[in-house]
Amino acid sequence: GIQVEQSPPDLILQEGANSTLRCNFSDSVNNLQWFHQNPWGQLINLFYIPSGTKQNGRLSATTVATERYSLLYISSSQTTDSGVYFCAVEYGETSGSRLTFGEGTQLTVNP
Amino acid sequence: DSGVTQTPKHLITATGQRVTLRCSPRSGDLSVYWYQQSLDQGLQFLIQYYNGEERAKGNILERFSAQQFPDLHSELNLSSLELGDSALYFCASSPRPGAGGWQETQYFGPGTRLLVL
Repeated sequence: GIQVEQSPPDLILQEGANSTLRCNFSDSVNNLQWFHQNPWGQLINLFYIPSGTKQNGRLSATTVATERYSLLYISSSQTTDSGVYFCAVEYGETSGSRLTFGEGTQLTVNP
Repeated sequence: DSGVTQTPKHLITATGQRVTLRCSPRSGDLSVYWYQQSLDQGLQFLIQYYNGEERAKGNILERFSAQQFPDLHSELNLSSLELGDSALYFCASSPRPGAGGWQETQYFGPGTRLLVL
């Protein structure tokens, strides 16, 4: 099956700093999503981005499908950005769909 | 709030028991997906239903089963529970099957936290 690798596994920032999270995948994908799992366990959709660039406030994402990677940028980080960030991809299904998740990046933003 | 609801939020039970987790998709969504998040396996896809029919299957144990009802809600049944089944179980939904040209966002519910003692 497809491999999804996220880096770095852990990231500690001071409030106000910027960061870049990376997701590499081993095969062509139909769908790529970024999620934020908050400390209460909720999975929050950030971006649906199989290709191209999107921005939402302080967050933006870029997927370069031909090179099989995606980047999530967080600018001016806040303590509420803390949690785990997951990249998930969907590929190859003919009749249904499934997301394959990376292992996540644990982000801690200190005040 | 994603619009996907899951009940119960928390469940504590004993080994060997059977439990049922319930999911209501977003209004208008026909696909329902189940995922398991455990400490050792990470987030894993279990199964997908679209409009009542099974569409995709992951590494779902034989002790686990699911179904989607005519009103589109779904239930995940876990039986002969073991300690290792303790996990956070997520349901997600999307409007269409998600296959081929129908790529689309999956929206996740808040999860059911299962603890098997």
